[in-house]
Amino acid sequence: GAGVSQSPSNKVTEKGKDVELRCDPISGHTALYWYRQSLGQGLEFLIYFQGNSAPDKSGLPSDRFSAERTGGSVSTLTIQRTQQEDSAVYLCASSFGPGLDEKLFFGSGTQLSVL
Amino acid sequence: AQSVTQLGSHVSVSEGALVLLRCNYSSSVPPYLFWYVQYPNQGLQLLLKYTSAATLVKGINGFEAEFKKSETSFHLTKPSAHMSDAAEYFCAVSDYLFKGAQKLVFGQGTRLTINP
Repeated sequence: GAGVSQSPSNKVTEKGKDVELRCDPISGHTALYWYRQSLGQGLEFLIYFQGNSAPDKSGLPSDRFSAERTGGSVSTLTIQRTQQEDSAVYLCASSFGPGLDEKLFFGSGTQLSVL
Repeated sequence: AQSVTQLGSHVSVSEGALVLLRCNYSSSVPPYLFWYVQYPNQGLQLLLKYTSAATLVKGINGFEAEFKKSETSFHLTKPSAHMSDAAEYFCAVSDYLFKGAQKLVFGQGTRLTINP
């Protein structure tokens, strides 16, 4: 597709359940990022991939969060044993490569609601 | 570590009036600065970026921003607001990640409302 695609667009889950959020970056983009957008918290960096490797996982808020990327393309963010404070919009972005002036292309996000 | 402060979580202007969204940053190195816009139910889109070339940066949709090192500011302006400018605007600074990759540090965002 022409842009970054995220699925599902909305996810409602019960506390304690696991969820998987998917991101399809723009073809050819080697760098992929996950951000979390919470009310009152702004945009929070979670994790970055260069190819299939994640050099920096320090932004993941707890060990319940994990992410992987396969084939240098699709990425999945998994949240285990969801808590109400995990409710947020999870944004994925991609770019051609690492670089401090690289333009990031964002998906529309997944709105996660934990009841 | 770099940080960004956006002054004013909500800004309201009349259609045709000047838009001014304020952003101040802190950075221990020459910064790369960005403004992104988020329309309802959409992802963020890049408006413009400063990468140490001209201090006055022009972006899309008639927006521009001026980098002022002495004031550590990167305010976003548009001479005449249009109804379609209603959105949330984020200022961001590039921080360093392992192996030189980019991590954007965002401000809290400013919601711009345009009054008819």
